[in-house]
Amino acid sequence: ELKVEQNPLFLSMQEGKNYTIYCNYSTTSDRLYWYRQDPGKSLESLFVLLSNGAVKQEGRLMASLDTKARLSTLHITAAVHDLSATYFCAVDRRSLDSNYQLIWGAGTKLIIKP
Amino acid sequence: ETGVTQTPRHLVMGMTNKKSLKCEQHLGHNAMYWYKQSAKKPLELMFVYNFKEQTENNSVPSRFSPECPNSSHLFLHLHTLQPEDSALYLCASSQLYPRGGYEQYFGPGTRLTVT
Repeated sequence: ELKVEQNPLFLSMQEGKNYTIYCNYSTTSDRLYWYRQDPGKSLESLFVLLSNGAVKQEGRLMASLDTKARLSTLHITAAVHDLSATYFCAVDRRSLDSNYQLIWGAGTKLIIKP
Repeated sequence: ETGVTQTPRHLVMGMTNKKSLKCEQHLGHNAMYWYKQSAKKPLELMFVYNFKEQTENNSVPSRFSPECPNSSHLFLHLHTLQPEDSALYLCASSQLYPRGGYEQYFGPGTRLTVT
């Protein structure tokens, strides 16, 4: 069974600091996704990582994928308050009928204090 | 309209009511999904429709009944719900193939409260 674990689940940090969120998954998968969710809002796609060694950056966020280690990281550089949100990673699972699903991590709630 | 839309955005219903949630995607995708998001719980996949055919039903109680009349529209019919069904219900769509990618695009959600 494919499982996706994120850590930490909760992170409170100061503005200007750097930090990393980790996403581990239990079996081989082709793709990994990072999403952001603001309180009371829907999920917004941040990054799609399609291969081993993939690295993508958008502003102060950078995501990477190591398929051999079954690990993805979301790195936050010089955090600002606007990045406060819950971040989810998700991994593809191909079911027996060839229908793809996303298996989701529990989410990391990030609070950035001024 | 662009992206994925959901109506209503908020719904309060009694346990004996019948209501429906509506989702529409304007992205030309061929797969649609219903998710349930409860406080302090992981995102739960409820139903998957691929080319209008239901392909997954993750042990969802029969008081939730999905309907997908075409590849752009998805409904979730609700009846005799329980208070523990109160949650944010999210609809999503994706393009499974031939191009792949499989990134899911989410609607704004319906906040459901069962009284």
